[in-house]
Amino acid sequence: RKEVEQDPGPFNVPEGATVAFNCTYSNSASQSFFWYRQDCRKEPKLLMSVYSSGNEDGRFTAQLNRASQYISLLIRDSKLSDSATYLCVVNPVTDSWGKLQFGAGTQVVVTP
Amino acid sequence: NAGVTQTPKFQVLKTGQSMTLQCAQDMNHEYMSWYRQDPGMGLRLIHYSVGAGITDQGEVPNGYNVSRSTTEDFPLRLLSAAPSQTSVYFCASSYGTFSESPLHFGNGTRLTVT
Repeated sequence: RKEVEQDPGPFNVPEGATVAFNCTYSNSASQSFFWYRQDCRKEPKLLMSVYSSGNEDGRFTAQLNRASQYISLLIRDSKLSDSATYLCVVNPVTDSWGKLQFGAGTQVVVTP
Repeated sequence: NAGVTQTPKFQVLKTGQSMTLQCAQDMNHEYMSWYRQDPGMGLRLIHYSVGAGITDQGEVPNGYNVSRSTTEDFPLRLLSAAPSQTSVYFCASSYGTFSESPLHFGNGTRLTVT
């Protein structure tokens, strides 16, 4: 079993619609969680950190469910520019320089 | 401010050849790392460094060497290239713990080994 699992998609979303997807992680002691965005043939970039209480950044909402060991990302009012692969990233250890674990990514395609 | 600079962007090697992928950052980041990205898999950590003179192995270190003689530079050496090393390689750096500072990635090196 992979340590961090994501539905690869693609999620085909009409412009203006809402899309949500999850990421499951296997290590219940994982400490911190992130969503990164990766455009086609580009480098990953941090989208947002995921906090225990859930957090929003504009049209993006991230949630953490420790009991079921998953994080989620919801995108409201989707824009064409939201088309990308979204990488779930988990820090599984307690020390500062933990070895981040990356999911393989969920592809989102926003269509006009 | 250039951020993280990787060279080359593309490289084709024959099996058995060696080469060095260069990575430099100008943000005074202590943490630097190398990842490889293959289709259907998440980024996998090859080697990392928490400061000059300190390196450690990641998840997939075999066939690769690194050194960190300065804070700025973290080159990755392929000792004897194999087709299994065909991949996209990313260098990344961070100034603090992952909770405080995101990873900053270079543009990537697309390596093909024939």
